[in-house]
Amino acid sequence: AQSVTQPDIHITVSEGASLELRCNYSYGATPYLFWYVQSPGQGLQLLLKYFSGDTLVQGIKGFEAEFKRSQSSFNLRKPSVHWSDAAEYFCAVVRRDTPLVFGKGTRLSVIA
Amino acid sequence: NAGVTQTPKFRVLKTGQSMTLLCAQDMNHEYMYWYRQDPGMGLRLIHYSVGEGTTAKGEVPDGYNVSRLKKQNFLLGLESAAPSQTSVYFCASSYGLEQYFGPGTRLTVT
Repeated sequence: AQSVTQPDIHITVSEGASLELRCNYSYGATPYLFWYVQSPGQGLQLLLKYFSGDTLVQGIKGFEAEFKRSQSSFNLRKPSVHWSDAAEYFCAVVRRDTPLVFGKGTRLSVIA
Repeated sequence: NAGVTQTPKFRVLKTGQSMTLLCAQDMNHEYMYWYRQDPGMGLRLIHYSVGEGTTAKGEVPDGYNVSRLKKQNFLLGLESAAPSQTSVYFCASSYGLEQYFGPGTRLTVT
Protein backbone atom coordinates (compact mmCIF):
# COMPACT_ATOMS: atom_id res chain seq x y z
CA ALA A 1 0.00 0.00 0.00
CA GLN A 2 1.15 3.47 -0.71
CA SER A 3 1.87 5.80 2.19
CA VAL A 4 3.04 9.32 2.82
CA THR A 5 5.27 10.42 5.69
CA GLN A 6 5.70 13.96 6.87
CA PRO A 7 8.39 13.63 9.55
CA ASP A 8 7.88 17.06 11.11
CA ILE A 9 4.69 17.56 13.09
CA HIS A 10 5.36 21.22 13.87
CA ILE A 11 7.92 23.70 12.54
CA THR A 12 8.53 27.27 13.67
CA VAL A 13 10.38 29.73 11.45
CA SER A 14 11.07 33.43 11.61
CA GLU A 15 9.39 35.72 9.13
CA GLY A 16 11.70 36.20 6.16
CA ALA A 17 13.56 32.94 6.75
CA SER A 18 13.57 30.08 4.28
CA LEU A 19 11.36 27.06 4.71
CA GLU A 20 11.54 23.39 3.76
CA LEU A 21 8.81 20.91 4.64
CA ARG A 22 9.65 17.28 4.13
CA CYS A 23 7.55 14.61 2.47
CA ASN A 24 8.48 11.01 1.74
CA TYR A 25 6.28 8.52 -0.04
CA SER A 26 6.26 4.78 -0.30
CA TYR A 27 5.12 3.53 -3.67
CA GLY A 28 6.58 1.25 -6.33
CA ALA A 29 5.96 3.36 -9.39
CA THR A 30 6.17 7.10 -9.93
CA PRO A 31 3.20 8.56 -8.12
CA TYR A 32 1.33 11.75 -8.68
CA LEU A 33 2.21 14.14 -5.86
CA PHE A 34 0.48 17.11 -4.31
CA TRP A 35 0.95 19.69 -1.59
CA TYR A 36 -2.13 21.24 0.01
CA VAL A 37 -2.36 24.05 2.56
CA GLN A 38 -5.04 24.47 5.19
CA SER A 39 -5.43 27.77 7.00
CA PRO A 40 -7.10 27.64 10.42
CA GLY A 41 -10.80 26.83 10.12
CA GLN A 42 -10.60 26.50 6.35
CA GLY A 43 -10.69 23.78 3.75
CA LEU A 44 -7.69 22.56 1.76
CA GLN A 45 -6.19 24.56 -1.06
CA LEU A 46 -3.89 23.07 -3.67
CA LEU A 47 -0.41 24.63 -3.62
CA LEU A 48 1.21 22.59 -6.37
CA LYS A 49 1.33 19.20 -8.03
CA TYR A 50 3.76 16.92 -9.81
CA PHE A 51 2.64 14.52 -12.51
CA SER A 52 5.69 14.20 -14.78
CA GLY A 53 8.40 16.19 -16.51
CA ASP A 54 10.49 18.84 -14.78
CA THR A 55 11.15 17.68 -11.23
CA LEU A 56 11.07 21.21 -9.83
CA VAL A 57 7.52 22.50 -9.81
CA GLN A 58 6.29 25.97 -9.02
CA GLY A 59 3.09 26.61 -7.14
CA ILE A 60 1.03 29.45 -5.81
CA LYS A 61 2.08 31.88 -3.08
CA GLY A 62 5.77 31.55 -3.98
CA PHE A 63 6.08 27.86 -3.07
CA GLU A 64 8.01 25.27 -5.01
CA ALA A 65 8.67 21.55 -4.58
CA GLU A 66 11.24 19.17 -5.92
CA PHE A 67 10.57 15.54 -6.80
CA LYS A 68 13.54 13.29 -6.08
CA ARG A 69 12.90 9.75 -7.22
CA SER A 70 16.11 8.39 -5.64
CA GLN A 71 15.02 9.65 -2.23
CA SER A 72 11.27 9.07 -2.67
CA SER A 73 10.79 12.65 -1.60
CA PHE A 74 8.74 15.65 -2.61
CA ASN A 75 9.85 18.46 -0.29
CA LEU A 76 8.13 21.83 -0.25
CA ARG A 77 10.22 25.01 -0.14
CA LYS A 78 9.81 28.74 0.09
CA PRO A 79 12.75 31.17 0.07
CA SER A 80 11.19 33.77 2.38
CA VAL A 81 8.28 33.01 4.68
CA HIS A 82 5.53 35.53 5.38
CA TRP A 83 3.40 35.59 8.53
CA SER A 84 0.38 34.67 6.39
CA ASP A 85 2.03 31.32 5.55
CA ALA A 86 1.24 30.04 9.04
CA ALA A 87 -1.01 27.06 8.36
CA GLU A 88 -1.02 23.29 8.16
CA TYR A 89 0.55 21.69 5.12
CA PHE A 90 -0.33 18.29 3.73
CA CYS A 91 1.54 16.17 1.25
CA ALA A 92 -0.55 13.68 -0.73
CA VAL A 93 0.01 10.93 -3.27
CA VAL A 94 -2.28 9.19 -5.73
CA ARG A 95 -2.15 6.83 -8.65
CA ARG A 96 -4.86 6.57 -11.26
CA ASP A 97 -6.76 3.65 -9.77
CA THR A 98 -6.63 4.54 -6.07
CA PRO A 99 -7.86 7.47 -4.01
CA LEU A 100 -5.62 10.19 -2.65
CA VAL A 101 -3.52 9.31 0.42
CA PHE A 102 -2.53 12.15 2.74
CA GLY A 103 0.34 12.56 5.14
CA LYS A 104 -0.51 13.56 8.69
CA GLY A 105 0.45 17.15 8.09
CA THR A 106 3.04 19.66 9.28
CA ARG A 107 1.91 22.69 11.21
CA LEU A 108 3.90 25.81 10.39
CA SER A 109 4.19 28.66 12.88
CA VAL A 110 5.79 31.96 11.84
CA ILE A 111 7.33 34.27 14.42
CA ALA A 112 8.35 37.88 14.04
CA ASN B 1 -19.20 28.67 -9.70
CA ALA B 2 -19.69 27.82 -6.04
CA GLY B 3 -17.28 24.88 -6.33
CA VAL B 4 -17.81 22.36 -3.54
CA THR B 5 -20.27 23.27 -0.80
CA GLN B 6 -21.10 21.44 2.41
CA THR B 7 -24.18 21.60 4.59
CA PRO B 8 -24.30 22.16 7.54
CA LYS B 9 -21.13 23.95 8.70
CA PHE B 10 -21.53 22.94 12.34
CA ARG B 11 -23.61 20.34 14.15
CA VAL B 12 -23.86 18.92 17.63
CA LEU B 13 -25.44 15.50 18.07
CA LYS B 14 -26.20 13.33 21.04
CA THR B 15 -24.95 9.76 21.06
CA GLY B 16 -27.29 7.53 19.08
CA GLN B 17 -28.81 10.29 16.96
CA SER B 18 -28.63 10.18 13.19
CA MET B 19 -27.83 12.84 10.65
CA THR B 20 -26.89 13.39 7.02
CA LEU B 21 -24.17 15.65 5.69
CA LEU B 22 -24.71 17.04 2.22
CA CYS B 23 -21.97 17.75 -0.30
CA ALA B 24 -22.74 19.48 -3.57
CA GLN B 25 -20.49 20.36 -6.49
CA ASP B 26 -21.24 22.37 -9.59
CA MET B 27 -18.17 21.41 -11.64
CA ASN B 28 -19.70 18.29 -13.24
CA HIS B 29 -17.06 16.12 -11.62
CA GLU B 30 -17.41 12.35 -11.77
CA TYR B 31 -15.52 11.58 -8.57
CA MET B 32 -16.56 12.62 -5.08
CA TYR B 33 -15.07 11.84 -1.67
CA TRP B 34 -15.74 12.10 2.03
CA TYR B 35 -12.84 12.52 4.48
CA ARG B 36 -12.59 13.03 8.19
CA GLN B 37 -9.86 15.09 9.79
CA ASP B 38 -8.70 14.48 13.33
CA PRO B 39 -5.78 16.14 15.14
CA GLY B 40 -2.49 14.46 14.26
CA MET B 41 -4.17 12.04 11.85
CA GLY B 42 -4.32 14.06 8.65
CA LEU B 43 -7.26 13.36 6.36
CA ARG B 44 -8.61 9.85 6.17
CA LEU B 45 -10.92 8.67 3.42
CA ILE B 46 -14.33 7.42 4.57
CA HIS B 47 -16.13 6.63 1.32
CA TYR B 48 -15.88 7.72 -2.26
CA SER B 49 -17.80 7.56 -5.52
CA VAL B 50 -16.56 7.22 -9.07
CA GLY B 51 -19.87 8.20 -10.60
CA GLU B 52 -23.59 8.58 -10.10
CA GLY B 53 -25.08 5.53 -8.43
CA THR B 54 -21.72 4.11 -7.33
CA THR B 55 -19.95 4.17 -3.96
CA ALA B 56 -16.91 2.48 -2.46
CA LYS B 57 -15.34 2.14 0.96
CA GLY B 58 -12.29 4.06 1.94
CA GLU B 59 -9.90 3.67 4.85
CA VAL B 60 -12.37 4.29 7.71
CA PRO B 61 -15.91 3.41 6.52
CA ASP B 62 -17.37 1.87 9.68
CA GLY B 63 -20.34 3.72 11.14
CA TYR B 64 -21.00 5.70 7.95
CA ASN B 65 -23.13 5.22 4.87
CA VAL B 66 -23.17 7.22 1.64
CA SER B 67 -25.34 7.72 -1.39
CA ARG B 68 -24.77 9.30 -4.80
CA LEU B 69 -28.21 9.49 -6.37
CA LYS B 70 -27.35 12.58 -8.39
CA LYS B 71 -24.01 13.35 -9.99
CA GLN B 72 -23.70 16.68 -8.21
CA ASN B 73 -24.52 15.45 -4.71
CA PHE B 74 -22.80 13.07 -2.31
CA LEU B 75 -24.47 12.38 1.03
CA LEU B 76 -22.76 11.06 4.15
CA GLY B 77 -24.97 9.49 6.78
CA LEU B 78 -24.42 8.59 10.39
CA GLU B 79 -27.13 6.16 11.52
CA SER B 80 -26.22 6.10 15.21
CA ALA B 81 -23.67 8.73 16.13
CA ALA B 82 -20.87 7.92 18.57
CA PRO B 83 -18.42 10.25 20.34
CA SER B 84 -15.62 8.72 18.23
CA GLN B 85 -17.24 10.35 15.22
CA THR B 86 -16.54 13.81 16.56
CA SER B 87 -14.42 15.26 13.79
CA VAL B 88 -14.22 17.71 10.93
CA TYR B 89 -15.63 16.25 7.74
CA PHE B 90 -14.47 17.34 4.32
CA CYS B 91 -15.99 16.60 0.98
CA ALA B 92 -14.03 16.76 -2.25
CA SER B 93 -14.65 16.25 -5.93
CA SER B 94 -12.43 15.64 -8.93
CA TYR B 95 -12.50 15.08 -12.66
CA GLY B 96 -8.95 13.78 -12.94
CA LEU B 97 -6.38 13.49 -10.21
CA GLU B 98 -6.70 16.95 -8.67
CA GLN B 99 -9.28 17.20 -5.90
CA TYR B 100 -11.25 20.28 -4.92
CA PHE B 101 -12.31 20.53 -1.30
CA GLY B 102 -15.30 21.96 0.45
CA PRO B 103 -15.02 24.17 3.56
CA GLY B 104 -15.77 21.36 6.00
CA THR B 105 -18.40 20.43 8.59
CA ARG B 106 -17.48 20.40 12.25
CA LEU B 107 -19.44 17.65 14.02
CA THR B 108 -19.48 17.12 17.76
CA VAL B 109 -21.10 14.05 19.27
CA THR B 110 -21.77 14.26 23.00
